[in-house]
Amino acid sequence: EAGVAQSPRYKIIEKRQSVAFWCNPISGHATLYWYQQILGQGPKLLIQFQNNGVVDDSQLPKDRFSAERLKGVDSTLKIQPAKLEDSAVYLCASRKLRGRTENEQFFGPGTRLTVL
Amino acid sequence: GDSVTQMEGPVTLSEEAFLTINCTYTATGYPSLFWYVQYPGEGLQLLLKATKADDKGSNKGFEATYRKETTSFHLEKGSVQVSDSAVYFCAPNTGANSKLTFGKGITLSVRP
Repeated sequence: EAGVAQSPRYKIIEKRQSVAFWCNPISGHATLYWYQQILGQGPKLLIQFQNNGVVDDSQLPKDRFSAERLKGVDSTLKIQPAKLEDSAVYLCASRKLRGRTENEQFFGPGTRLTVL
Repeated sequence: GDSVTQMEGPVTLSEEAFLTINCTYTATGYPSLFWYVQYPGEGLQLLLKATKADDKGSNKGFEATYRKETTSFHLEKGSVQVSDSAVYFCAPNTGANSKLTFGKGITLSVRP
């Protein structure tokens, strides 16, 4: 089966510009996650969707970050306006079932964002 | 909230050396425990997992045992290879929302 797809793979922007990332999860996976991975650190969860509803966005900086999953399949994460500290790899992951902690999350290749 | 403590890195070993990477966690409830690996230029992928106390996860020669009494999930391999060079992340998975909490990760470099 196809894995989690993300695009673009790389993006360079200047501060105060806007940027959007796209993710297409594995077919049939109801749960979708966006993570931010700053260089030298582990991934940090930004937002979690169950189908097209938000389950957890407690660590999403809502003044500049937004995300949607309108039809319960693919998802878009947007940053507007970007700051220097947003430079990171943005990872998308998907999972088959909610509420069963043993089910693994499958990760996409990530989008590396550089803010100048 | 949940947290993970991984030993400080980086770790550099010679091929065929024994590897131990320590991981301890704090978590609410009864987590499943995961080790993820990130090879150079690639995405995160699951290395192994354990879902209950005393379970041993294993894959590619790596092993880790779920130690509930010490809240630990140390990763071991008897003989590392150059191809094991990567970043390793320990992550408990807890809660109704099945949230993964990642450690900082540790970089392993294996010399020929």
